[in-house]
Amino acid sequence: ETGVTQTPRHLVMGMTNKKSLKCEQHLGHNAMYWYKQSAKKPLELMFVYSLEERVENNSVPSRFSPECPNSSHLFLHLHTLQPEDSALYLCASSQGPLAVEQFFGPGTRLTVL
Amino acid sequence: SQELEQSPQSLIVQEGKNLTINCTSSKTLYGLYWYKQKYGEGLIFLMMLQKGGEEKSHEKITAKLDEKKQQSSLHITASQPSHAGIYLCGAAGTASKLTFGTGTRLQVTL
Repeated sequence: ETGVTQTPRHLVMGMTNKKSLKCEQHLGHNAMYWYKQSAKKPLELMFVYSLEERVENNSVPSRFSPECPNSSHLFLHLHTLQPEDSALYLCASSQGPLAVEQFFGPGTRLTVL
Repeated sequence: SQELEQSPQSLIVQEGKNLTINCTSSKTLYGLYWYKQKYGEGLIFLMMLQKGGEEKSHEKITAKLDEKKQQSSLHITASQPSHAGIYLCGAAGTASKLTFGTGTRLQVTL
């Protein structure tokens, strides 16, 4: 595997379900990000991790819970989501939180019923 | 907070035609990035502009940064079907935080 990978690529879940999104980067980077992309809205930064510590949290609802166990892996734990949370969730990584170039994964298309 | 407006929102061009996409910022630009996204997939970094008046090219895609106008333009020469996708501009903020535009959807017809 090369670059940034995300699993699953597609996820359908009910409002009472608990699921997790996984992101893995094979680039040796030390900063990782979660973005949300909804239809007709700008890409929104959700969380930033640098050296496995959260450095940015853009007022994201607590039903989204990130986890960064090491510099290569990033998770987004989901519980009691709402239909408006349906979106494409993108993971990215970079060499340092101040790096200007971020490398994106293919995303997870999430549908909340 | 900084906002980026892209125009047009969508564009359909015939193969071989040239096109331009604009990105205008509500605040001074300290760095401007262009990404391409195929529908439902991740973003691919195209190029980064940092200095006023800077111009960069990659194959048939050229981007310019007009710092005074807080604007950047992306120009594609002799478009091909492979150029189809969503083009996003992003502006650098604090601590690697990128603000993105809403994107321009490009379709290239045969």
